[in-house]
Amino acid sequence: QQQVKQSPQSLIVQKGGISIINCAYENTAFDYFPWYQQFPGKGPALLIAIRPDVSEKKEGRFTISFNKSAKQFSLHIMDSQPGDSATYFCAASIRTGFQKLVFGTGTRLLVSP
Amino acid sequence: DVKVTQSSRYLVKRTGEKVFLECVQDMDHENMFWYRQDPGLGLRLIYFSYDVKMKEKGDIPEGYSVSREKKERFSLILESASTNQTSMYLCASSLPRRSSGANVLTFGAGSRLTVL
Repeated sequence: QQQVKQSPQSLIVQKGGISIINCAYENTAFDYFPWYQQFPGKGPALLIAIRPDVSEKKEGRFTISFNKSAKQFSLHIMDSQPGDSATYFCAASIRTGFQKLVFGTGTRLLVSP
Repeated sequence: DVKVTQSSRYLVKRTGEKVFLECVQDMDHENMFWYRQDPGLGLRLIYFSYDVKMKEKGDIPEGYSVSREKKERFSLILESASTNQTSMYLCASSLPRRSSGANVLTFGAGSRLTVL
């Protein structure tokens, strides 16, 4: 079963716009929520991550917003650039025990020039 | 720089063939993983290993096996390839859970397998 639901499946944003990708999870034991970025021909790479003790984390143009009560988290890309065009995966895991990551289905982002 | 290398970027095999996918990491990571990536399904965990000669089933282990004889090498084996195993296979590694970077997966570039 899908433990992390991601939407939308694809997204087209104009250069300079805001890209927003949403994820929802079911397992309340999850306590680590990373986002991975994958360029064509490459493996995914960690972009940014958040733990549930904070509601927002910002790194440059990338921000994770976290809503624990709604069991949702989202990635916001401000001032989106063509170089941000990639596939983005949200994920979740439990820190204690073996940290098996559960991934969302991915969002293909295209930033048009 | 941390590196995970998958020896074959593209493979074409026939139904029933035995397939080996090799992965090597040079970071002295204890944990290694095999995922498959399919459009609309994201990344799904096939097997993982947290130590030499140790292996654990992931979410979709059927039709696959793994081998970890050395710390740096983790192999995925398809005993008898089938067309529904046509996919992109991604290897990853990470530090053990006691480490501060334990949750960070470093992925290889992937091996695209086509089974005819």
